[in-house]
Amino acid sequence: SQQGEEDPQALSIQEGENATMNCSYKTSINNLQWYRQNSGRGLVHLILIRSNEREKHSGRLRVTLDTSKKSSSLLITASRAADTASYFCATDLNTGFQKLVFGTGTRLLVSP
Amino acid sequence: DTGVSQDPRHKITKRGQNVTFRCDPISEHNRLYWYRQTLGQGPEFLTYFQNEAQLEKSRLLSDRFSAERPKGSFSTLEIQRTEQGDSAMYLCASSLWVGSAGSGNTIYFGEGSWLTVV
Repeated sequence: SQQGEEDPQALSIQEGENATMNCSYKTSINNLQWYRQNSGRGLVHLILIRSNEREKHSGRLRVTLDTSKKSSSLLITASRAADTASYFCATDLNTGFQKLVFGTGTRLLVSP
Repeated sequence: DTGVSQDPRHKITKRGQNVTFRCDPISEHNRLYWYRQTLGQGPEFLTYFQNEAQLEKSRLLSDRFSAERPKGSFSTLEIQRTEQGDSAMYLCASSLWVGSAGSGNTIYFGEGSWLTVV
């Protein structure tokens, strides 16, 4: 079963706009990781945010985590056509062996 | 710096045949994971190794599936008597676990191996 649910399922924007994707989960976590996947390719790691952190930045990416609401968001600023991909949040459950549970992803389309 | 390598990238097989996928993790990574992903879905956990020991298996891993990691380096995932429902992308991932409880480490994925069962 899937722990995380991304919202929206699909997002279409113009280059230069910001894109925000949300992730909700159900149980307590050690950390939450965001990944990008281009069509037919593997997963590229973007950011890991630990349960005791509230916000992290990496280049044009900003991730927030609200453990009280069991939710996270990924913001991509000044989007580019190359950002077109599916984005997944993956929760590292508090199981002791770092098993990632993925949501169904958000499909982002950035038009030139 | 080489990432996680998977081979083959694509495999088309007839129903009933056996297939084997290979994964080479990032060197010195002691943890290795296998996931399966079907179209439109997120990856689902199958199994993981700590060094050469297989420590957890999902109920998704039926008796037709077997994974090994001899000597704690590369890993193989074999599917026997393939069925059309096995068609998916099989993803391998690795991480370096240093034993700090609750910290968690980045898990790096390979490009995946696509399996099509006809």
